[in-house]
Amino acid sequence: DAKTTQPNSMESNEEEPVHLPCNHSTISGTDYIHWYRQLPSQGPEYVIHGLTSNVNNRMASLAIAEDRKSSTLILHRATLRDAAVYYCILRPSGTYKYIFGTGTRLKVLA
Amino acid sequence: NAGVMQNPRHLVRRRGQEARLRCSPMKGHSHVYWYRQLPEEGLKFMVYLQKENIIDESGMPKERFSAEFPKEGPSILRIQQVVRGDSAAYFCASSPRDLNTEAFFGQGTRLTVV
Repeated sequence: DAKTTQPNSMESNEEEPVHLPCNHSTISGTDYIHWYRQLPSQGPEYVIHGLTSNVNNRMASLAIAEDRKSSTLILHRATLRDAAVYYCILRPSGTYKYIFGTGTRLKVLA
Repeated sequence: NAGVMQNPRHLVRRRGQEARLRCSPMKGHSHVYWYRQLPEEGLKFMVYLQKENIIDESGMPKERFSAEFPKEGPSILRIQQVVRGDSAAYFCASSPRDLNTEAFFGQGTRLTVV
């Protein structure tokens, strides 16, 4: 299974954009890039996923490097409610397993 | 459309007792997955089920753990003769037939073995 590397923790100020990086240098052509987040004492919450092109939804944007060896989750305006652990996960097309790493713990400062 | 429902949210069992964790998938979802999260760790895949079938149980401990997803009713994760090391948060997720879409997770059951 292809692995991802994320910083252990990041801090952001409220109302500012946040860029959460993820490196996945061994990604294969059929691997989708999924992002989930987990708030304290909650289950993982789907954020966004993509394959090659940048993706936007109401929660966030996903910027994927041209060589797909890295990606960045962008929260456009961080709020206190965005404080969570963010997981970047590679999942091959047609498979079902998520391999969770330790993620990035995002702290949002008021 | 209700999300993935898990119950109970918290469960306390004495060593040697049985724990039964329930999961009702989202409406229209036919695939159910169970994950376990130990304190301060990421989630680990345990088992993947469809109605009346276990598709992949490669992450399940060989003994004491079993899972089912009957034709009617919720999916059940059963842990027999619990030990302290079974204390963890157990999450259920569900997805529709298309495996390239996202899975949705429940709020989890936090099992404490005393």
